[in-house]
Amino acid sequence: QKEVEQNSGPLSVPEGAIASLNCTYSDRGSQSFFWYRQYSGKSPELIMSIYSNGDKEDGRFTAQLNKASQYVSLLIRDSQPSDSATYLCAVNVGGGADGLTFGKGTHLIIQP
Amino acid sequence: DGGITQSPKYLFRKEGQNVTLSCEQNLNHDAMYWYRQDPGQGLRLIYYSQIVNDFQKGDIAEGYSVSREKKESFPLTVTSAQKNPTAFYLCASSMDGGYTEAFFGQGTRLTVV
Repeated sequence: QKEVEQNSGPLSVPEGAIASLNCTYSDRGSQSFFWYRQYSGKSPELIMSIYSNGDKEDGRFTAQLNKASQYVSLLIRDSQPSDSATYLCAVNVGGGADGLTFGKGTHLIIQP
Repeated sequence: DGGITQSPKYLFRKEGQNVTLSCEQNLNHDAMYWYRQDPGQGLRLIYYSQIVNDFQKGDIAEGYSVSREKKESFPLTVTSAQKNPTAFYLCASSMDGGYTEAFFGQGTRLTVV
């Protein structure tokens, strides 16, 4: 079974702090990893993509990938109330031909 | 503007009725997908298509059908065989399958009445 696991939360973080979201996956053949943000009632929007081990930074967001541990994370610095949403981890299990497999998402709440 | 357009935004289905959800993209992407999302749940893959005139079943294809006659279009039919169709349906596309990021339409919320 090809799985992508996330803690469903809610994860509550004070405004201005760092939010840390985690994701594990079961398929060692996975090559592409993505983080999406989804506001209630809306469709997912892409935040970050990462393909190789290490860190990738884009503004307040940093994605971290460790293929040996089958672990991908998203850090949000200087968290804002507008960051409150559900964050979905997506992985191309099966080497990519089968599309993306999504975790169930982590509900993040930024407290003013 | 480039993007993915789903219609309608809201759809109501009577028991035993087939309904078709539309998905059109002008991003020139080869791959297109249909996902289903239930409240508090992640996205589950219904069908996907890597090229025109070819498509594969995803994890929950029973009760659904698709076609891919044009690169730009990937309509989803929810048949009467789908016993619990009430959900949020999302269409997505990507340049070359799961290797690159997928972009989503605004979704169709289907309700059985």
